[in-house]
Amino acid sequence: ETGVTQTPRHLVMGMTNKKSLKCEQHLGHNAMYWYKQSAKKPLELMFVYNFKEQTENNSVPSRFSPECPNSSHLFLHLHTLQPEDSALYLCASTGPANTGELFFGEGSRLTVL
Amino acid sequence: DAKTTQPPSMDCAEGRAANLPCNHSTISGNEYVYWYRQIHSQGPQYIIHGLKNNETNEMASLIITEDRKSSTLILPHATLRDTAVYYCTWGTNAGKSTFGDGTTLTVKP
Repeated sequence: ETGVTQTPRHLVMGMTNKKSLKCEQHLGHNAMYWYKQSAKKPLELMFVYNFKEQTENNSVPSRFSPECPNSSHLFLHLHTLQPEDSALYLCASTGPANTGELFFGEGSRLTVL
Repeated sequence: DAKTTQPPSMDCAEGRAANLPCNHSTISGNEYVYWYRQIHSQGPQYIIHGLKNNETNEMASLIITEDRKSSTLILPHATLRDTAVYYCTWGTNAGKSTFGDGTTLTVKP
């Protein structure tokens, strides 16, 4: 248990569906991240939020829309995805010093049909 | 992009020390080295990090060379549950360090 909770753990959606992934941390951290992990590929950083403000978007397609309503919650809204977007989506957070470790959630396994 | 080099796979006998190497030859003086591991289909788990000095915690030891161009993660007494992919990353910021392909460590009975 890392203190970072992701829901749902598994999601199957069609290409025309709209769904959202949720991440919640009660560690008092100020920075939150979305990563994508495709099969047999390294983790790819997607978005970074610091104090609710997006500070990094690594050229992620607009069909992925993040939202950070407060420092404890992070969402990833999904719309008109492609089958190649099927992957494990991981949320992580770091503390105020931001030099320490990343705390990862267990991930949301997404399958796009 | 920050580039690390790790062997793709390693085996270790149960109860023996596992020594996992990582090359980070272009690391800068203010950049940390981080190690994580990922057991199949779970989120990565933080192990240890360091800047210049060697570090030890309840999970592992981290040995950083004097020139900081490489490091070694040591699991002193590997168990079957240590079988995982081990990632070495580095950067000024834990969240912006780049993950590579990692080393798949298989601990054998």
